Amino acid sequence: DIQLTQSPSFLSASVGDRVTISCRASQDISRYLSWYQQKPGKAPKLLISAASTLPTGVPSRFSGSGSGTEFTLTISSLQPEDFATYYCQQLISYQLTFGGGTKVEIK
Amino acid sequence: QVQLVESGGGVVQSGRSLRLACSASGFTFRSFGMHWVRQPPGKGLQWVAAIWYDGTNENLADSVKGRFTISRDNSNNTLYLYMNSLRAEDTAVYYCARDRVSGSDYYGMDVWGQGTMVTVSS
Repeated sequence: DIQLTQSPSFLSASVGDRVTISCRASQDISRYLSWYQQKPGKAPKLLISAASTLPTGVPSRFSGSGSGTEFTLTISSLQPEDFATYYCQQLISYQLTFGGGTKVEIK
Repeated sequence: QVQLVESGGGVVQSGRSLRLACSASGFTFRSFGMHWVRQPPGKGLQWVAAIWYDGTNENLADSVKGRFTISRDNSNNTLYLYMNSLRAEDTAVYYCARDRVSGSDYYGMDVWGQGTMVTVSS
């Protein structure tokens, strides 16, 4: 199975900070990677698909990049509503897997 | 509006069975692949199962293969997860989710239900 390793697992940041989250795949997954945001007690929300495509309604401060085995989620200017846990997911194999998550908390 | 509503969760003894259902509305259910994703208490997301729009291809996580079955009823806009031989480690909130692209294969999950809790007791 393809393993996804997210780093860091925990991040403390302030409103207005630029935040970067990494997702590393155990093998080449091309651009078959999605990012999700989850707030406590809520279902996840799709943030980015195909490594860098923002669905309609997702703020432009979110961006994704990468291909192959290295991927990055960037929040250009952290807003209060962005404090949440973020997950990456690979979809190249029929054993879809999520990364372990990155919790973004207020500094 | 586009909506997914799960049902069927509850407390069940280890080794027993449970069926979850996910009722879809607000979109053409028969056109989209569907997923089940679970989240154990305090832990991360785990993909469980997925099925193509027409039910001709089903995929299960290795951790549930041989115990869980995914199916769908396109005439009633409902997705199912049949869970047998339940174990304590299956305790989780179970979400159903829609694949974001109509047709075959999987591209990401753009619509999620609110989740249903399954607790497996010993």
